[in-house]
Amino acid sequence: ETGVTQTPRHLVMGMTNKKSLKCEQHLGHNAMYWYKQSAKKPLELMFVYNFKEQTENNSVPSRFSPECPNSSHLFLHLHTLQPEDSALYLCASSQGPYGGGVADTQYFGPGTRLTVL
Amino acid sequence: AQSVTQLGSHVSVSEGALVLLRCNYSSSVPPYLFWYVQYPNQGLQLLLKYTTGATLVKGINGFEAEFKKSETSFHLTKPSAHMSDAAEYFCAVSDPDFGNEKLTFGTGTRLTIIP
Repeated sequence: ETGVTQTPRHLVMGMTNKKSLKCEQHLGHNAMYWYKQSAKKPLELMFVYNFKEQTENNSVPSRFSPECPNSSHLFLHLHTLQPEDSALYLCASSQGPYGGGVADTQYFGPGTRLTVL
Repeated sequence: AQSVTQLGSHVSVSEGALVLLRCNYSSSVPPYLFWYVQYPNQGLQLLLKYTTGATLVKGINGFEAEFKKSETSFHLTKPSAHMSDAAEYFCAVSDPDFGNEKLTFGTGTRLTIIP
């Protein structure tokens, strides 16, 4: 595997379900990100992790719970979601603040298409 | 706070014609600027970025963009469109107050190529 991978690619869940999204990066990066992409809206940054520590929580509801066990893996745990949470969830990685230098480039995975019924 | 405006949510051009996708930004300090492309069922891929120095930036697949500070613009161009250019394009600006982690994206422009 190369780059940034995400599983599953598609997920349908009910509002009472608990599910998790997984992201893995094979680029040796130290920073990882979760974004939400909804139709007709700009990409929304949700969470940022640097060296496994959360450095950004962009006012995300608590029904979204991130976990970063190491610099290569990032999870997004979902519970009691709402239909308006249906979206494409994108994971990205970058070298991070200490290695990325000027305009550290983020590399994106293909996303998980989430539908909440 | 920074913001990005992409004029035209949909742009159609004929194959072989000039591609021009517009991006304007607002920022209180000199920003770093990015263009990303998203093909169907894929994540975002970096096309090009401006940090400092030369204001005309060349990217992959024949695309280029010019940073114009006086116009607060970073329009994306390609001299001759190809069918494979059909995709959604996103302009983004980094927030210097938060390092380069925090990208602010525009709403995207869907490019359609007419055979």
